[in-house]
Amino acid sequence: QKEVEQDPGPLSVPEGAIVSLNCTYSNSAFQYFMWYRQYSRKGPELLMYTYSSGNKEDGRFTAQVDKSSKYISLFIRDSQPSDSATYLCAMKDGGATNKLIFGTGTLLAVQP
Amino acid sequence: EAGVVQSPRYKIIEKKQPVAFWCNPISGHNTLYWYLQNLGQGPELLIRYENEEAVDDSQLPKDRFSAERLKGVDSTLKIQPAELGDSAVYLCASSLDVNHEQYFGPGTRLTVT
Repeated sequence: QKEVEQDPGPLSVPEGAIVSLNCTYSNSAFQYFMWYRQYSRKGPELLMYTYSSGNKEDGRFTAQVDKSSKYISLFIRDSQPSDSATYLCAMKDGGATNKLIFGTGTLLAVQP
Repeated sequence: EAGVVQSPRYKIIEKKQPVAFWCNPISGHNTLYWYLQNLGQGPELLIRYENEEAVDDSQLPKDRFSAERLKGVDSTLKIQPAELGDSAVYLCASSLDVNHEQYFGPGTRLTVT
């Protein structure tokens, strides 16, 4: 079993829809949770960075962490065609290594 | 501010040939990472540098892969000899230090034929 599980999709939604992306994990030591966006043939770009449980909002993006369920989510409101990309969750335990463990990524397509 | 720079962006080589990738991190970033990303997968760490010291290379296949970060700035990752299974995207990332966010370069897409 992988430490981080993520549905690879693809997920196709109409423009303006609310998108929900999710990851589950097995390592209870993870404390820092990130979402990266990766456009085709580009490197991952950091979108959201959260510590421990709770919500964080940034514009149209909201990240949620539920450590008790080992479940994290990214919500995108009013989705746009420019949001079409692969979304990768990543997490780390906050130890000395700063080693990120990534999910497989979810491919999102927002249809105009 | 310039981001992480990688070159080449694309490389096609025949199996058993050597190949090298170059990375220039964000100015002032002491920590540098090399990741491997296979198609449809998330990045996986190969090696991490703190300045010029490789502090985590446990996932680097040392029989054919090598890396260096001379003077604690630029870094090169080398494969010799390349195998078909090495076809992937090689990503470089950097962070201010081990506790800060990692910023990724565009990657080098390697195809081994």
